[in-house]
Amino acid sequence: DAGVIQSPRHEVTEMGQEVTLRCKPISGHDYLFWYRQTMMRGLELLIYFNNNVPIDDSGMPEDRFSAKMPNASFSTLKIQPSEPRDSAVYFCAISLGGRSSEQYFGPGTRLTVT
Amino acid sequence: QKEVEQNSGPLSVPEGAIASLNCTYSDRGSQSFFWYRQYSGKSPELIMFIYSNGDKEDGRFTAQLNKASQYVSLLIRDSQPSDSATYLCAGDTGGFKTIFGAGTRLFVKA
Repeated sequence: DAGVIQSPRHEVTEMGQEVTLRCKPISGHDYLFWYRQTMMRGLELLIYFNNNVPIDDSGMPEDRFSAKMPNASFSTLKIQPSEPRDSAVYFCAISLGGRSSEQYFGPGTRLTVT
Repeated sequence: QKEVEQNSGPLSVPEGAIASLNCTYSDRGSQSFFWYRQYSGKSPELIMFIYSNGDKEDGRFTAQLNKASQYVSLLIRDSQPSDSATYLCAGDTGGFKTIFGAGTRLFVKA
């Protein structure tokens, strides 16, 4: 996960609050992905960007979720308002392009909504 | 619904044995397949990828792909306790979108 920085690493918030998760990838990537992982549903793709443009957001569960990538070095995933069922580990991952989608994951943000 | 299926395990093997992890996928259009290792509390780490039918070896790891049977496997030779982790199989669904299996938990007993 050396190529991707995520913050915060842990977030505890109350239901109804806004949560913003951050991702800082290394330079040279073409694609950036946001995933959510839970015991029940495994690793789910939420959205991915190519050259900072959102390509597929079909995995975003509800309108409460939004993601942005204002530049190649920064992306955010926002949940507003948060709910207890949003509790999960959220990963940001990058792909360096080329033939295939070999992905490199950040350390993740563990979100707990009470 | 495009899916990647794995046996959740746990798979338990003695140290030094061969661990065999298996995966099937539903999308015949998938071209690329990946194995990620995830230690408890950590992020997934890419360990192998395979695009062509047959075997691909990297150290103690061998990935096998059979597109006709829609089957992917990972063999770990000379298993070590440090190999104990969850192994995620993944396949592309076109472009750069990837579908992950639920993972197989592997325990290597010393």
